[in-house]
Parts: sequence; C-alpha cells; structure tokens
Amino acid sequence: GQSLEQPSEVTAVEGAIVQINCTYQTSGFYGLSWYQQHDGGAPTFLSYNALDGLEETGRFSSFLSRSDSYGYLLLQELQMKDSASYFCAVKRDDKIIFGKGTRLHILP
Amino acid sequence: GAVVSQHPSWVICKSGTSVKIECRSLDFQATTMFWYRQFPKQSLMLMATSNEGSKATYEQGVEKDKFLINHASLTLSTLTVTSAHPEDSSFYICSASDTYTEAFFGQGTRLTVV
Repeated sequence: GQSLEQPSEVTAVEGAIVQINCTYQTSGFYGLSWYQQHDGGAPTFLSYNALDGLEETGRFSSFLSRSDSYGYLLLQELQMKDSASYFCAVKRDDKIIFGKGTRLHILP
Repeated sequence: GAVVSQHPSWVICKSGTSVKIECRSLDFQATTMFWYRQFPKQSLMLMATSNEGSKATYEQGVEKDKFLINHASLTLSTLTVTSAHPEDSSFYICSASDTYTEAFFGQGTRLTVV
C-alpha cells in the first residue's frame, strides 16, 4: 500500500516563507509531486522531484530525500493568493495518489 | 501544458436519477484517465482508472455498478452516477496525463443530489 502524511494546516504571514512537509510510504516510488488547489477549483501542478535535492520554480521550491522518504514544498514571499490547499502526491502503477492536503492560511 | 475539459461544472439532480459527467483531453490523447471524488476540505480520493477500450479499474470500496465509467475514445471518458442519492453529492474531478510526471485536471463537477 501507500500513504502520504502532511500537516493538516499551516499558518504564515504575508511576505514570509513557509515549508510544508510530506512523508511517504510507498512501493515502486518514482517521484514526489506537489499540487495546489484553491477552494472550489481543480488541483494544479506545481512541481515534481524524481531525484534527491531541491527544485526551484520562481517563489516555489520543492525538495526530496529518497533515503528519508521525505519531501517538502517551500513557498517564499508569501502572497494572499497563495492561500489554498497543497497536496503532495506519488505516482504508482500509473495512478496518482494524493496526501490529505495541507491548508495554508496566510495572515496579512 | 495539456488541457483537460470537464462538463458540466455543476449539476443538481433529483434523488434516484442518473447524471453523466464528461471528461475530454483537448490537445493530447489520453489512454488513461482518472476519476476522483472530493468531499469538502478533504483530499482527492481516487475512484477508478479509466482505460480506453477496456473496462475501468475501480478502487476498493467504489461501487462499479453505481459509478459507471466509459472510455470510448482516446479523448473522452465519462462517469455516470446512477440512481443518485444525497450522499453522492460531492466534487468529482477527472485527470489525465501526457507525461509521467504531471497530471492535468478537469475543472471538476459539483454534484448536488436533492
């Protein structure tokens, strides 16, 4: 089977940096993805890590440690529009399995 | 990125009726599409994998006779909720992938059964 664990909620201040962690247990691991979902909307792809290390895309970065079965999403220069749910996900047997999601609250 | 279109975006139906939701890949051929269900403030739960030209593969606990999936072409998959009941009210989302790393989602369908 597989499972992904991430915090249910995180609160941060506008302009700050926040890190959302994800630990996973899965067989046949290929890589860790991150998705953003605003209320009422569909998830949108943010990043994918197949190898250990940091991937940077603008204000968002994602990190993976395969030996620790751990990854995180780093959001910098937080903006109010970043208020959303963030899901880590793994692909296994051509299926994408999502974590339970982390609700990010941003305070002005 | 690839575009996946889902229709309708919302639907209200009476209890006992059936509702069909369409998912189309607009600019790529999707041999496999996925259907998810999401309750408010919860994660996306995979319901089934839709395979073009063959039967869908359902996740454990999902009633295949209630949630009928048809994948008649490389660009279209449909989910039919049969004999809908209020507990079927949810947000249904399809996805498809043209790469191994990224999935593209439809806009989602909010189903309300009254």
